[in-house]
Amino acid sequence: DAGITQSPRYKITETGRQVTLMCHQTWSHSYMFWYRQDLGHGLRLIYYSAAADITDKGEVPDGYVVSRSKTENFPLTLESATRSQTSVYFCASSELAGGSRNEQFFGPGTRLTVL
Amino acid sequence: RKEVEQDPGPFNVPEGATVAFNCTYSNSASQSFFWYRQDCRKEPKLLMSVYSSGNEDGRFTAQLNRASQYISLLIRDSKLSDSATYLCVVNRAAGNNRKLIWGLGTSLAVNP
Repeated sequence: DAGITQSPRYKITETGRQVTLMCHQTWSHSYMFWYRQDLGHGLRLIYYSAAADITDKGEVPDGYVVSRSKTENFPLTLESATRSQTSVYFCASSELAGGSRNEQFFGPGTRLTVL
Repeated sequence: RKEVEQDPGPFNVPEGATVAFNCTYSNSASQSFFWYRQDCRKEPKLLMSVYSSGNEDGRFTAQLNRASQYISLLIRDSKLSDSATYLCVVNRAAGNNRKLIWGLGTSLAVNP
């Protein structure tokens, strides 16, 4: 029972490089989310997806791209990494958007450092 | 003013103590409320939802005060394992997780 996994767990990259963070869930949850967590800020939503091939922007989408060709995968790509994108990235999933089944389950996070 | 505000703490309490956290929210249209727990360098996990009538889960009690726009979390008989950061989460739009607003968290340290 893997649940929701993220890879890599740690990544160091350089400014200007493209980086892809992977997220995989085994529950067949419809909804998937990408957040970043920084000191002084709460979790901030980058992008979310309601189903395969349906994605939408969150609060801080600039500089990021997502795709969802399969229900279980939701990769996040930093097209040209900047130092301000140094952060901890969490992927999450939920069964539904509302009601009692909207608990979000989080992956373990990816710590990204952009030099 | 932040949309969701929490006292960052840290709250240092001895084992067995009762501790309470408050969280205020600014948007009166907020629909649903949650407490998540986050251990150091780990992912957040749902602790409990907060219902209008208040709800209890073992040693944990959550309450909502819509008139004053705050939610609270009470922990009774604190355990060492309760040491964590507690995140207040507010959903501005019913049935839409895109509208979740996360507080910065309140840090709790339970000491032996």
